[in-house]
Order: sequence, then C-alpha cells, then structure tokens
Amino acid sequence: GAVVSQHPSWVICKSGTSVKIECRSLDFQATTMFWYRQFPKQSLMLMATSNEGSKATYEQGVEKDKFLINHASLTLSTLTVTSAHPEDSSFYICSVPGGSEETQYFGPGTRLLVL
Amino acid sequence: GDSVTQMEGPVTLSEEAFLTINCTYTATGYPSLFWYVQYPGEGLQLLLKATKADDKGSNKGFEATYRKETTSFHLEKGSVQVSDSAVYFCALTPSGGYQKVTFGTGTKLQVIP
Repeated sequence: GAVVSQHPSWVICKSGTSVKIECRSLDFQATTMFWYRQFPKQSLMLMATSNEGSKATYEQGVEKDKFLINHASLTLSTLTVTSAHPEDSSFYICSVPGGSEETQYFGPGTRLLVL
Repeated sequence: GDSVTQMEGPVTLSEEAFLTINCTYTATGYPSLFWYVQYPGEGLQLLLKATKADDKGSNKGFEATYRKETTSFHLEKGSVQVSDSAVYFCALTPSGGYQKVTFGTGTKLQVIP
C-alpha cells in the first residue's frame, strides 16, 4: 500500500491565489521530508527540505516567501504556493526518508495548473 | 556538485527486445545509486538500487551494476514488455547518509507490441 500520500492530486487555480499541498507519511514518522518540482519532460528538482519543528531549508534559487513550507507534525508537511502565477504550474512531489538512509518514498505528486 | 547524466529519450522498442538505458554520474566519495520508474499517471517508485562499487541491483528483470571505474549505473533488461513503458530516472544520494536525491533528466521508454 501507499507509504506517502499527497492531497490534492491535482488543482487548478486563478493567478494570484494561494494553493496548499499536503504530504502525509502513512507508515513512518518523519522529522524530514523533501519537496520536489518536476517540469514537463524534465527531471525532479529539489526545492526544499522540510524539518519538523523548525524552518525549512531551501535550495538555491527557490523563493522561500513564495513557497511556504510547514512541517507541523511527524507525519505531515505542507507546501503553500503563495500568489500563484502561470509559471508556477508544475508537478510537485514530496518524499519521505525510509527505514534505511538510502531509501526514499515518494508521494504520487500534485499537478498544479495556474490560469 | 553532484550530477547525473542519462541518455535522452524517448526510447521505442518492440516487445521482447533488449533494453539498455545509460547513466553516468559525478559525485565525491561513494554515493548510493538508484533507478526510479514513473508509470503514466503515477508517482515515482524505486526500481532498484546499489550502495557500493560492484554491487548489482535487480528487480522485475531489470539490472544495473555500480561501476566506480566508469562512474556508471546502466539499466538493462533482457526482454521488455509493454507494461514496462514508463519514464526511468537514474539518481544518486551522496555518501554520508544525507538523503538529498539528485536525479537525471529521465528517459521515456515506449514498448510496442
């Protein structure tokens, strides 16, 4: 069964609105979760590392005020795309580290379309 | 920084053909290497992994060998099926236990009957 869930699976919103995406770890307590973005026909790019109980760590070039991350509990991290614009349209994927240090479990992804 | 380079697709093969998807990497130390698969409309799934030099990862008929001397981790399957049609990503995590994953650009495989 699924180890990581994401909600919603897809969302369409108007430009200027904010969208919240949830990532839930179903089998593991996760002090760390990762958020990726996948552009069409391109690879996944790490956006940020979500840390339970502290601030997220953002990769270079990712606007932290644009992509707000909250890791409220050991099983839930949220990514909020604030004041969304069409260029934010993408596929957002979260991952949770598994039992071994090399293992990652990926969520099914959330497709965002900003009109 | 770390990087992964894999062959561009799409790759189109007939059923039962032999598959090779090339992957090379750049990283310091001894990273762990992975192949992930993304079926249409689904999330990434781990296909196989190798954590040290000369290790062979295998799953569902797919194999890949960690070659330190050539910094490669090529994916192979002897006889592909239509159900193998998907996008395949080569990836690595750095040595030392930090779990940040660096992905290749992905290779789309289409298998035709």
